[in-house]
Amino acid sequence: GESVGLHLPTLSVQEGDNSIINCAYSNSASDYFIWYKQESGKGPQFIIDIRSNMDKRQGQRVTVLLNKTVKHLSLQIAATQPGDSAVYFCAEETGRRALTFGSGTRLQVQP
Amino acid sequence: EADIYQTPRYLVIGTGKKITLECSQTMGHDKMYWYQQDPGMELHLIHYSYGVNSTEKGDLSSESTVSRIRTEHFPLTLESARPSHTSQYLCASSAVTGNPGGTDTQYFGPGTRLTVL
Repeated sequence: GESVGLHLPTLSVQEGDNSIINCAYSNSASDYFIWYKQESGKGPQFIIDIRSNMDKRQGQRVTVLLNKTVKHLSLQIAATQPGDSAVYFCAEETGRRALTFGSGTRLQVQP
Repeated sequence: EADIYQTPRYLVIGTGKKITLECSQTMGHDKMYWYQQDPGMELHLIHYSYGVNSTEKGDLSSESTVSRIRTEHFPLTLESARPSHTSQYLCASSAVTGNPGGTDTQYFGPGTRLTVL
């Protein structure tokens, strides 16, 4: 079946370093992808999105890269801060129904 | 900033009780969703609605039911709670963007953590 998965369950980085969180998806028909950040006890918070007709999109300190050839999505966080510590989910949308979420990567920022 | 609210935030209840989890949004979004999430795990869609009087089952089978009588309100009900219903329930809403063939960005509420004893 279709799935969205993440390569690493936990990523530990030093404060100030850049972080890269990866995500693989298997549905080539997916046309919209979103990265969410979820802090403990809170709902997911939208970070950045990208449509399938793009391969890169930048926000404030974050960049999402989409490689449709290998069905791979990544989230890059520049100058990672302690406040970036959270679980990060990628999600994909096929058609116009709802989102399919991956299992999440926990980002731990070491001071 | 999204304005979507869920109550209660935490609920501990005994087996067999009927419960209703509330979700409201003030953004006028047509689409609303309920997800179930176990700690540290992915979100699973259990219900969604494309507008008033429209409700559909999601990917994950759930014994809960939903209603959509008003645009802003999308409550979820469990007629008889069981320990297997213990989980976090997340509500979300979205509106179609202005882009042609636009896609929806979903905004989430803070969640309700349900524990059934």
